[in-house]
Amino acid sequence: DAKTTQPNSMESNEEEPVHLPCNHSTISGTDYIHWYRQLPSQGPEYVIHGLTSNVNNRMASLAIAEDRKSSTLILHRATLRDAAVYYCILRDYGGSQGNLIFGKGTKLSVKP
Amino acid sequence: SAVISQKPSRDICQRGTSLTIQCQVDSQVTMMFWYRQQPGQSLTLIATANQGSEATYESGFVIDKFPISRPNLTFSTLTVSNMSPEDSSIYLCSVEPQRGTEAFFGQGTRLTVV
Repeated sequence: DAKTTQPNSMESNEEEPVHLPCNHSTISGTDYIHWYRQLPSQGPEYVIHGLTSNVNNRMASLAIAEDRKSSTLILHRATLRDAAVYYCILRDYGGSQGNLIFGKGTKLSVKP
Repeated sequence: SAVISQKPSRDICQRGTSLTIQCQVDSQVTMMFWYRQQPGQSLTLIATANQGSEATYESGFVIDKFPISRPNLTFSTLTVSNMSPEDSSIYLCSVEPQRGTEAFFGQGTRLTVV
């Protein structure tokens, strides 16, 4: 699985949108972009994933650059509960056994 | 989806002893994964456990130190053997019921070795 680069930390205000960036310049054509988050004292939880097109679900949106070398996780209205470490992970379905390779992630703080 | 129950949720153990962590899933899954999260760090994969075969260990992890059992498709155990303070970490199990989609994690076992 290819490597990703994320900022160590970000801050946001409650009820404002948050854009969490991820660089993956060595992404291959078969790599999917996955996002997980880990709330304090909990195991990671799935947020969203995509391949080429932008994706939306109830938790967030994923914007993928046209060249796929970067992506952005968008939380439309941050809440205090969104304070967590967010991990951007590349997955090659063809070769992957199912395990995830976690980088350091971005620690998101949300201010009231 | 999958719901994972891990036991114990936390423990404090004496050095030199062993602790067995249990992971129970509410559905049958082919592979289960064990991760370690050292204090302030990200998650690192320890091993992949398939039912009916020996676990596959990642570089830096060995079976003698982290023996794994996988007796059926819904259950696995990870033992941390001959513990030292350096083994103090959170240990998590994970499953991916449908290959390439969403992975599910247990709440973790917070181990402190004194």
